[in-house]
Amino acid sequence: SQKIEQNSEALNIQEGKTATLTCNYTNYSPAYLQWYRQDPGRGPVFLLLIRENEKEKRKERLKVTFDTTLKQSLFHITASQPADSATYLCALEKAGGFKTIFGAGTRLFVKA
Amino acid sequence: DGGITQSPKYLFRKEGQNVTLSCEQNLNHDAMYWYRQDPGQGLRLIYYSQIVNDFQKGDIAEGYSVSREKKESFPLTVTSAQKNPTAFYLCATLLTRGGRNEQFFGPGTRLTVL
Repeated sequence: SQKIEQNSEALNIQEGKTATLTCNYTNYSPAYLQWYRQDPGRGPVFLLLIRENEKEKRKERLKVTFDTTLKQSLFHITASQPADSATYLCALEKAGGFKTIFGAGTRLFVKA
Repeated sequence: DGGITQSPKYLFRKEGQNVTLSCEQNLNHDAMYWYRQDPGQGLRLIYYSQIVNDFQKGDIAEGYSVSREKKESFPLTVTSAQKNPTAFYLCATLLTRGGRNEQFFGPGTRLTVL
């Protein structure tokens, strides 16, 4: 069955450092991979999308890589800030599809 | 102010009762979704609707029902047949642009069965 794995343990880093979150998937061939941010008690918010033929995508302090051979995406937040503390969800989607599958998310804590 | 509203924010239900969660959007998006989120698990798809008067079961539809009579509204009913309904429920819409899809989520409803 299709499976998305994200680190279940929380990631604790110091302000100013780079946070790196991992998303691995199996039994799936996504056309797109997305990252969302979710704050406690709120709905997820879309951050970035990367296509299967793209290796890297950047947006301000965010960088996403996508390796379809390894079936893995890395999500980086550079110069992290306490305001970046949240849960980050990885999501996969097929081309032309209306269904997205989500990972359980990784909780990030950035300490001042 | 465009967006998705869900009500109520918190909902308590006694066992054996049906409850309906509201989801309204003014984004003019065609597709709408209902997800359930449990601690330590990814979002699981309950139902989705691509257009008005049409909807499909997701991965965990048993014990739930929906309707889509208007483009703006996609209410979810949690029936007494749902054995473990306590969870955080999220409604979402889908924007398709440039060949890619982006989901917009509402603030969620937390349902607790007493």
